[in-house]
Amino acid sequence: DAGVIQSPRHEVTEMGQEVTLRCKPISGHDYLFWYRQTMMRGLELLIYFNNNVPIDDSGMPEDRFSAKMPNASFSTLKIQPSEPRDSAVYFCASRSRVSGTSTDTQYFGPGTRLTVL
Amino acid sequence: AQKVTQAQTEISVVEKEDVTLDCVYETRDTTYYLFWYKQPPSGELVFLIRRNSFDEQNEISGRYSWNFQKSTSSFNFTITASQVVDSAVYFCALSEVYGQNFVFGPGTRLSVLP
Repeated sequence: DAGVIQSPRHEVTEMGQEVTLRCKPISGHDYLFWYRQTMMRGLELLIYFNNNVPIDDSGMPEDRFSAKMPNASFSTLKIQPSEPRDSAVYFCASRSRVSGTSTDTQYFGPGTRLTVL
Repeated sequence: AQKVTQAQTEISVVEKEDVTLDCVYETRDTTYYLFWYKQPPSGELVFLIRRNSFDEQNEISGRYSWNFQKSTSSFNFTITASQVVDSAVYFCALSEVYGQNFVFGPGTRLSVLP
């Protein structure tokens, strides 16, 4: 089975532009997570979904960030307008909530390295 | 609140040395999961192990071994006979069993020198 797929792998944009990051979770996983990784703050959970419904978005830094999950196989994280301080690696992860099995683990995508100039 | 501490920011060893990465956690939950992930220079996060809080047996997988001690709230990771390919940042993480709160430690950067 394919792992978590993210696109693009690298994104360079200019301040003020809209950025959309995409994620395809592992088939059958019902939880999806978006993380941001920076040198200063490490790995931060931004938002997570269960069965396509946003459950906790308390980690989203501000209104410029939004995330959607229109179906079980696709999610987007959008930044509008982007700022240089948004430069980071953004990870998507998915998990199956079958407690007590090896699937009760978050599996991460390769990440999207975002650079905002 | 949950918290994961990895006191070692960076470790350097010479190939074939054994190295232990420390992880100390805090939680009020009686049941929880602990994890280790590896982030090699290529950047992806690779799942290594998950441990349930009610299973304190140590685990060995090849050159990797994990020591879970509830009494000291620690989940340490040892690499035996380290290799250059082990060079990476290693993250310890803690997760609620009945919730989705997933907390990562700050990571330990391991450099294995030839």
